[in-house]
Amino acid sequence: GAGVSQSPRYKVAKRGQDVALRCDPISGHVSLFWYQQALGQGPEFLTYFQNEAQLDKSGLPSDRFFAERPEGSVSTLKIQRTQQEDSAVYLCASSSTSGGYNEQFFGPGTRLTVL
Amino acid sequence: AQKITQTQPGMFVQEKEAVTLDCTYDTSDQSYGLFWYKQPSSGEMIFLIYQGSYDEQNATEGRYSLNFQKARKSANLVISASQLGDSAMYFCAMREYGGSQGNLIFGKGTKLSVKP
Repeated sequence: GAGVSQSPRYKVAKRGQDVALRCDPISGHVSLFWYQQALGQGPEFLTYFQNEAQLDKSGLPSDRFFAERPEGSVSTLKIQRTQQEDSAVYLCASSSTSGGYNEQFFGPGTRLTVL
Repeated sequence: AQKITQTQPGMFVQEKEAVTLDCTYDTSDQSYGLFWYKQPSSGEMIFLIYQGSYDEQNATEGRYSLNFQKARKSANLVISASQLGDSAMYFCAMREYGGSQGNLIFGKGTKLSVKP
């Protein structure tokens, strides 16, 4: 496919469960960003990868959140022991240059609901 | 302090008329970029238009134009000849180029409803 894809599109988890959200960026894109969008809010930055290196994780809300991009392409955002406040849409974006200094292309998001 | 402020939670516009969505920003960087994204109910973020801080001309992309007033730190989006398909959430965002990477900082958004 030509665009950024994310899976699953919807995830329902019971409080305390671990979840893993996947992002497939556009092929060849160097930069990959994760954002969290709470209901009725704008997206907020979580973490940034340049190839396989996680250069910034300052936006991760707690140590329950973990992201990886081991081969510099697909990325996984993992949330351990989910809480109700983790309910949000998780957006992935990729960009062709390092630092993301041009247009970021967004995926459709994963809507996480924690019961 | 909010870096991006969108003061209009919701806006209505008649089909075929123009509408302005407000955005003000706060940064101490000299080099930065301003973006507008559209988010329909399906959820994807669609890039609309970009303005760099050193660009002297206001950006335009088809029916979209960005009214950039640097001294007032405002970057309003103007949509001309509104269409029913323009109904969506609109987000203003900024990227500061002084940092090591270019994550976007978003406002809270404006919900635009186009009336037939």
